[in-house]
Amino acid sequence: KAGVTQTPRYLIKTRGQQVTLSCSPISGHRSVSWYQQTPGQGLQFLFEYFSETQRNKGNFPGRFSGRQFSNSRSEMNVSTLELGDSALYLCASSSTGAGTDTQYFGPGTRLTVL
Amino acid sequence: AQSVTQLGSHVSVSEGALVLLRCNYSSSVPPYLFWYVQYPNQGLQLLLKYTSAATLVKGINGFEAEFKKSETSFHLTKPSAHMSDAAEYFCAVISLSGGYNKLIFGAGTRLAVHP
Repeated sequence: KAGVTQTPRYLIKTRGQQVTLSCSPISGHRSVSWYQQTPGQGLQFLFEYFSETQRNKGNFPGRFSGRQFSNSRSEMNVSTLELGDSALYLCASSSTGAGTDTQYFGPGTRLTVL
Repeated sequence: AQSVTQLGSHVSVSEGALVLLRCNYSSSVPPYLFWYVQYPNQGLQLLLKYTSAATLVKGINGFEAEFKKSETSFHLTKPSAHMSDAAEYFCAVISLSGGYNKLIFGAGTRLAVHP
C-alpha cells in the first residue's frame, strides 16, 4: 500500500498570505489528523477529521482550519500567515481514529513564512 | 490528562554500544504508548507501540521497549547502535477525547552515533 502523501513538500510565503496544504491518507483509512512541528513547541495536535467531519481540535487560533473530502483526502488552510507559523506540518492517517488506532505519518510540508 | 516526558534531549553513543532512550508517562487511565523515529527532512515512522498485550514490545530495526507500570516508564533500547540509527526519537501517548484519539508527544531525543 502507498503511504500517506503530502503536497507540496516545501512552501515559502510572506506574512499576511494564506496557504493550503494537502494530505492523501493510506488507502482505506478514513481518519486524518494534522500536527504542527516547531523547534520551540515540538509536535502539537491541530485537528482530526473523519467522514468529512472535524471530531477533535487542538488549541490553535481560528486562522487554522481544515476540511476533508468524500475520498478522505484532507486539506489544511492557514490564513493571514504570521512568522510563527513557520513549521513542518505533518499529516497522519489511521483506519478509524478511535481507541488505540495507530497513526501513520506522511513526510510533511515545510512552510516558511517570510 | 496524559503526558510523556523524555529525559535527555541529546544522547550520543558509539557504534555498537547500547542505545537507551528514556520516556516516562503520566496517565490517569491505562496508557497506550508509541515510539516514532524522524530522520532529517522526513516525517515520523512508527517504531513500536504498546497496547497492553505484552510489556516487552519489539519493533523495527532491532528496537524494543519495556512497559513498566511501577516506574511509569516506557524506555526504548537497542543492543547495538548503527550509524543509520542517528535520528530524532519521539515517545507519544494516546489521549482520548470523546473516544477519538490524538497523540501527545514528548519533546524528542536526538540520537547521535559516532564511529
